[in-house]
Amino acid sequence: KQEVTQIPAALSVPEGENLVLNCSFTDSAIYNLQWFRQDPGKGLTSLLLIQSSQREQTSGRLNASLDKSSGRSTLYIAASQPGDSATYLCAVPNTNAGKSTFGDGTTLTVKP
Amino acid sequence: EAQVTQNPRYLITVTGKKLTVTCSQNMNHEYMSWYRQDPGLGLRQIYYSMNVEVTDKGDVPEGYKVSRKEKRNFPLILESPSPNQTSLYFCASSSGRGYEQYFGPGTRLTVT
Repeated sequence: KQEVTQIPAALSVPEGENLVLNCSFTDSAIYNLQWFRQDPGKGLTSLLLIQSSQREQTSGRLNASLDKSSGRSTLYIAASQPGDSATYLCAVPNTNAGKSTFGDGTTLTVKP
Repeated sequence: EAQVTQNPRYLITVTGKKLTVTCSQNMNHEYMSWYRQDPGLGLRQIYYSMNVEVTDKGDVPEGYKVSRKEKRNFPLILESPSPNQTSLYFCASSSGRGYEQYFGPGTRLTVT
């Protein structure tokens, strides 16, 4: 059974700092890995999708990497801003393609 | 605008009173899912569907039913709600294996 772990559970940084969020998964036979952002009480917004054949994916100040062999993905946020404060989740579709497993998320606070 | 819609957004009901939460997507997606999100337990998949008339259990299907009679709609049915089904529910859709999941805004359900 796929297990997804996100460390740290919470992170607080001053504005302008570069930071890295981590996502680990136990079964490396994945199709892709998706990073989401969730604001309190809101839905999930897709940030980046990395296919299993890719190593990196970039969108603006966000860069996600994927290392299938080690079962890890990182989300790098450059020059953090208070508006980046949210919970960030990673998700992995299982080999049974309809199922997905989510990590518990990292709650990020960026202080002005 | 491409989107996943859910109704109602908020619902307070009593134990045992049947209810349906609707989910609709306008992206012609084949895959649709229902999740529940609870503090400390994260996002857990309830049911998923990979096409019309094709549904399967996720990780926490007990107490829920779904149907997929049309491609765009995937309602979640609680035949006899109980207080332990109080949660934040999300519907999601995607084009299929390896593609991004798009989430609805969520339905906050309280069962008293």
